[in-house]
Amino acid sequence: AQSVTQPDIHITVSEGASLELRCNYSYGATPYLFWYVQSPGQGLQLLLKYFSGDTLVQGIKGFEAEFKRSQSSFNLRKPSVHWSDAAEYFCAVGSPSGATNKLIFGTGTLLAVQP
Amino acid sequence: NAGVTQTPKFQVLKTGQSMTLQCAQDMNHNSMYWYRQDPGMGLRLIYYSASEGTTDKGEVPNGYNVSRLNKREFSLRLESAAPSQTSVYFCASTPGGYYGYTFGSGTRLTVV
Repeated sequence: AQSVTQPDIHITVSEGASLELRCNYSYGATPYLFWYVQSPGQGLQLLLKYFSGDTLVQGIKGFEAEFKRSQSSFNLRKPSVHWSDAAEYFCAVGSPSGATNKLIFGTGTLLAVQP
Repeated sequence: NAGVTQTPKFQVLKTGQSMTLQCAQDMNHNSMYWYRQDPGMGLRLIYYSASEGTTDKGEVPNGYNVSRLNKREFSLRLESAAPSQTSVYFCASTPGGYYGYTFGSGTRLTVV
């Protein structure tokens, strides 16, 4: 069965520092992979996605993620964090062979940014 | 570009009351989903509709029913609300797996 693990429940970084949020998945083949961001009181917004091709993908708001097949990981990174990046981040996986288009979400990582 | 519209945004129910959460999308997406979000548990799938005319149970369907009224609309009904159903409910839609979901802004439901 597919599963997604986000090992870090809560992360605090200083403004201007680099950021890496971890995501590990369990799936038999390469799944669809996504990162979403949720600001307080808002819905989820798609940051970036991956299925094939270049393993480093660029997203919105200056975020990027790297797919590593050998580690079953899809970590999200940003070189310099801004205070407005404080939010909750969700990794998700989907099945390319499924007809239901369902996504499985991780439990999220809450990012705090300190001045 | 309304995207996915959920109504209402907030609701307080008494235990045993019923209500319907409405969701509509204007993007001609085939698949629609209802999730609930609880602290520390991420998003859990309640029901989904892979295409117009079909609905299926997700991970946590007990206490809920759904109706895919047409391609645009997918409603979630609580027949007899319980405090355990206090949560934030999100509707989402997609034209297909690789595109990911477009989410609504959520309904915050409190059952007292």
